[in-house]
Amino acid sequence: AQSVTQLDSQVPVFEEAPVELRCNYSSSVSVYLFWYVQYPNQGLQLLLKYLSGSTLVKGINGFEAEFNKSQTSFHLRKPSVHISDTAEYFCAVDNTDKLIFGTGTRLQVFP
Amino acid sequence: ETGVTQSPTHLIKTRGQQVTLRCSSQSGHNTVSWYQQALGQGPQFIFQYYREEENGRGNFPPRFSGLQFPNYSSELNVNALELDDSALYLCASSGEGLAGGRGQTDTQYFGPGTRLTVL
Repeated sequence: AQSVTQLDSQVPVFEEAPVELRCNYSSSVSVYLFWYVQYPNQGLQLLLKYLSGSTLVKGINGFEAEFNKSQTSFHLRKPSVHISDTAEYFCAVDNTDKLIFGTGTRLQVFP
Repeated sequence: ETGVTQSPTHLIKTRGQQVTLRCSSQSGHNTVSWYQQALGQGPQFIFQYYREEENGRGNFPPRFSGLQFPNYSSELNVNALELDDSALYLCASSGEGLAGGRGQTDTQYFGPGTRLTVL
């Protein structure tokens, strides 16, 4: 069975600092991976996705993620965060007709 | 804006009651998926409908049921509500379904959710 692990429940960071949110997945088949962001009292917004091809995926709002098959990871990065990036971030894997989500990482950006 | 809308925004019910949540998908999207997100957790897959038929179900009891209509709207019905049903319910629409054996996957676009509180 496929699963997703987000090891960090909370990541505090100062504005303009770089950030990495970690995601590891478990799967025995080809995977499609996603990062979604959830702002307070809102639904999920797609940041980026990996389906195939280049392992470095660029998304919206300056975020990028790298698919690493040998380490079964799909970490999300941003070189310089803004206050407005404060939100909950979810990593997800496609498991034949459904998305399996991790438990989320709360990114808190401080001025 | 994903073009996916949900109603109502908030809902309060008591144990044992029944509830219907509604979702309007993006025009042209044949697939709708429903997820339950408990407080502090990631969304959990409830079920998916493709062209008005159920196309996959997660680990939820039969009292969770759904309908999809030709006009890109859909419903999630929950009978005999329990306290643990309190959660944010999200619907997501996509074009032609997920992997489905075609080696492709289609991005799911989420609505803002319905916050259900069961007292």
